[in-house]
Amino acid sequence: DSGVTQTPKHLITATGQRVTLRCSPRSGDLSVYWYQQSLDQGLQFLIQYYNGEERAKGNILERFSAQQFPDLHSELNLSSLELGDSALYFCASTAGGGGRTDTQYFGPGTRLTVL
Amino acid sequence: DAKTTQPPSMDCAEGRAANLPCNHSTISGNEYVYWYRQIHSQGPQYIIHGLKNNETNEMASLIITEDRKSSTLILPHATLRDTAVYYCIVGTRYGQNFVFGPGTRLSVLP
Repeated sequence: DSGVTQTPKHLITATGQRVTLRCSPRSGDLSVYWYQQSLDQGLQFLIQYYNGEERAKGNILERFSAQQFPDLHSELNLSSLELGDSALYFCASTAGGGGRTDTQYFGPGTRLTVL
Repeated sequence: DAKTTQPPSMDCAEGRAANLPCNHSTISGNEYVYWYRQIHSQGPQYIIHGLKNNETNEMASLIITEDRKSSTLILPHATLRDTAVYYCIVGTRYGQNFVFGPGTRLSVLP
């Protein structure tokens, strides 16, 4: 158990809909990262937040957005869903303050299926 | 694009050492080498990381060449539960934005 929690575990929805994925980082971690893993793409970095502020952006679509709240949990919002958005979505957290042990610890993921 | 190159797959006999190679010839001076693994569709699991010295923990050993252009992850006594995809990643110490390549699919055989 990495200490990172994600909800829901599974999500099934229809094209055109909007969903919200939630991530709670490990206790004390300030940074949250979001990744998408689809069958043909591997793990793709989407976005990083550090202490409530966006820190880095990867291959995140304009239909997707994220935020990190004062209690440090993060939400990834996916809108106008398409079939190709079906994937596993992982979040990871780090202490974010640097240091030799500042590695990313991943949550169990949310499996999104768009029908 | 991933900054590392790994063989797509490897087999290892149960109880033997598994040696997983990784090339990272463009690694920068401030970049660490990280290893993660992913079992089935679970979240990637951190294994070990290092800068230039060899490292060992309860899971594995990491051997980094002197020129830092390649490294080897060693699982000393592989078990069936070590069957997974192993990712070698280079990243900085702060706010690492990991680029995951396809990794190496390690199959531990009985």
